Amino acid sequence: SQQGEEDPQALSIQEGENATMNCSYKTSINNLQWYRQNSGRGLVHLILIRSNEREKHSGRLRVTLDTSKKSSSLLITASRAADTASYFCATATGNQFYFGTGTSLTVIP
Amino acid sequence: DTAVSQTPKYLVTQMGNDKSIKCEQNLGHDTMYWYKQDSKKFLKIMFSYNNKELIINETVPNRFSPKSPDKAHLNLHINSLELGDSAVYFCASSQEFIGGANVLTFGAGSRLTVL
Repeated sequence: SQQGEEDPQALSIQEGENATMNCSYKTSINNLQWYRQNSGRGLVHLILIRSNEREKHSGRLRVTLDTSKKSSSLLITASRAADTASYFCATATGNQFYFGTGTSLTVIP
Repeated sequence: DTAVSQTPKYLVTQMGNDKSIKCEQNLGHDTMYWYKQDSKKFLKIMFSYNNKELIINETVPNRFSPKSPDKAHLNLHINSLELGDSAVYFCASSQEFIGGANVLTFGAGSRLTVL
């Protein structure tokens, strides 16, 4: 299977704290992407990091990529209750996408 | 509104029935996909169509058949529904850019419940 794995499966934090999620994958990639899924909704693209990049920022999001370890992390700083959602990493090679198992994040107000 | 839209949003049916889920995108994207998300939120690729040609067909039972009348539509037909087919089915689309990267745009999902 080319599916990745995410860690932790579930994460509960207080508002204002930082949240870190990790993703491991198995194959070589062109890029790695993170998506967010609110309950009962479709996935929404958050950020993309290319295989030749090591770190990328977008607003309160920071993504790292270590291709030697086949792993990535997503950091959400200064979390808000509205960040409560499931977060998925997806590895992309051309137009083939494979998703991780997801991290369910709960931010307590 | 530019979007990926899929219908119906909810579908409840009996085992053995045949059903279809429709998907349309007006983003002008070249590739469309069907994903299945199970109760544990595990998201698995089922099919991918690029300009009406099937380019991915993962280990999906042949009871599932994708149909793409044009590059803006990718419908999913399921024959002889089984209990295990209960899941949320997501349609998505992406655009391939030369030297760029594809990003998926998802529909809102269709929750199928087989009784």
